[in-house]
Amino acid sequence: GDSVTQMEGPVTLSEEAFLTINCTYTATGYPSLFWYVQYPGEGLQLLLKATKADDKGSNKGFEATYRKETTSFHLEKGSVQVSDSAVYFCALSRSGYSTLTFGKGTMLLVSP
Amino acid sequence: GAVVSQHPSRVICKSGTSVKIECRSLDFQATTMFWYRQFPKQSLMLMATSNEGSKATYEQGVEKDKFLINHASLTLSTLTVTSAHPEDSSFYICSARDPTQGEAFFGQGTRLTVV
Repeated sequence: GDSVTQMEGPVTLSEEAFLTINCTYTATGYPSLFWYVQYPGEGLQLLLKATKADDKGSNKGFEATYRKETTSFHLEKGSVQVSDSAVYFCALSRSGYSTLTFGKGTMLLVSP
Repeated sequence: GAVVSQHPSRVICKSGTSVKIECRSLDFQATTMFWYRQFPKQSLMLMATSNEGSKATYEQGVEKDKFLINHASLTLSTLTVTSAHPEDSSFYICSARDPTQGEAFFGQGTRLTVV
């Protein structure tokens, strides 16, 4: 079956550091890939997405590229802020947004 | 963006009692809603797909008599955990798909603790 593997957290960074959260997936065909973010006390919010190979999703300074050859969708940001502290979930879907398969989530903690 | 409201955010109940969790789409009509469960340090696992006006579709291994789902209107789905036991303690989160946007929006989640 489909699965998503993302790096264990927490990831602890200082403000303005470079961020990478790794995500790899297993799925047949060509799934859509997503990154969701969950801020403390809030629901999951879609951060970015990519629907086909070599697509780059980007939002709020975050970006991730759909790499079919390595089955990866790593999340990156050049300079993190304290306000980026949250839990980040990588996910895939083979039917649009309907049913999502999630990774375990990675907590990011950014200190001033 | 669209908002999905989930209530309550936290609930503590005694073993053997039932707990109802509500999921509302506030500014769109959701013909389909989804219920997920998350164990500590685990992925969100899809429990069931809730369809307005029809029976929910449960994932393999999810007891439909234990986790009752009702989707009586286009803006409300409820999950009732019946005869709760400590092993039902978990984080439950719903999502609703906005058919006009295609995107799924998530509620804030409910932390259930059964004592």
